[in-house]
Amino acid sequence: AQSVTQPDIHITVSEGASLELRCNYSYGATPYLFWYVQSPGQGLQLLLKYFSGDTLVQGIKGFEAEFKRSQSSFNLRKPSVHWSDAAEYFCAVAVVYGGSQGNLIFGKGTKLSVKP
Amino acid sequence: SQTIHQWPATLVQPVGSPLSLECTVEGTSNPNLYWYRQAAGRGLQLLFYSVGIGQISSEVPQNLSASRPQDRQFILSSKKLLLSDSGFYLCAWSEDRGQETQYFGPGTRLLVL
Repeated sequence: AQSVTQPDIHITVSEGASLELRCNYSYGATPYLFWYVQSPGQGLQLLLKYFSGDTLVQGIKGFEAEFKRSQSSFNLRKPSVHWSDAAEYFCAVAVVYGGSQGNLIFGKGTKLSVKP
Repeated sequence: SQTIHQWPATLVQPVGSPLSLECTVEGTSNPNLYWYRQAAGRGLQLLFYSVGIGQISSEVPQNLSASRPQDRQFILSSKKLLLSDSGFYLCAWSEDRGQETQYFGPGTRLLVL
């Protein structure tokens, strides 16, 4: 069965430091992969997505993610974290039915705290 | 541009009472619509999705139901709420084509007492 694992429940980094959030997926075919961010009490905002092509994708707010098929990973990175990046981050994989995307399967999220 | 609304933002209901949460999408036609529940520490769980008016697929059997009376309206209901129904309910939409991305509403916080 398809699944997404985010091994880190909570990460704390200092403002200005680099960030990497891990995501591993289990899916038999080429995955469609997403990263979303959620501020407290808010909905989810799409940061970036990977469908095909260049394995390094750029997103909003200075985030990027790299798809590594050999490692079944899609880790999210940011070179310099800002205090406003404190939020919860969700990785997701789309389950594809036929030629169309079906439903999203989400990881359990990684909560990011930023120290001043 | 497309926008998605959810109503109400917060709701406190007694056990056994009915529930109706509404989600509406503007700026698109024939979207795919989704209802998710987010419980603390448990990530997002897909409850229902709809590819058109009157077409509802249920992912998890429970005391909740969904309806789509209009193209851009998606309603989540219950006849009798349980304590375990407490959580954050998120509605999402996507375009009706392959490789579409899901876009989420602001959510409804439900507390069942």
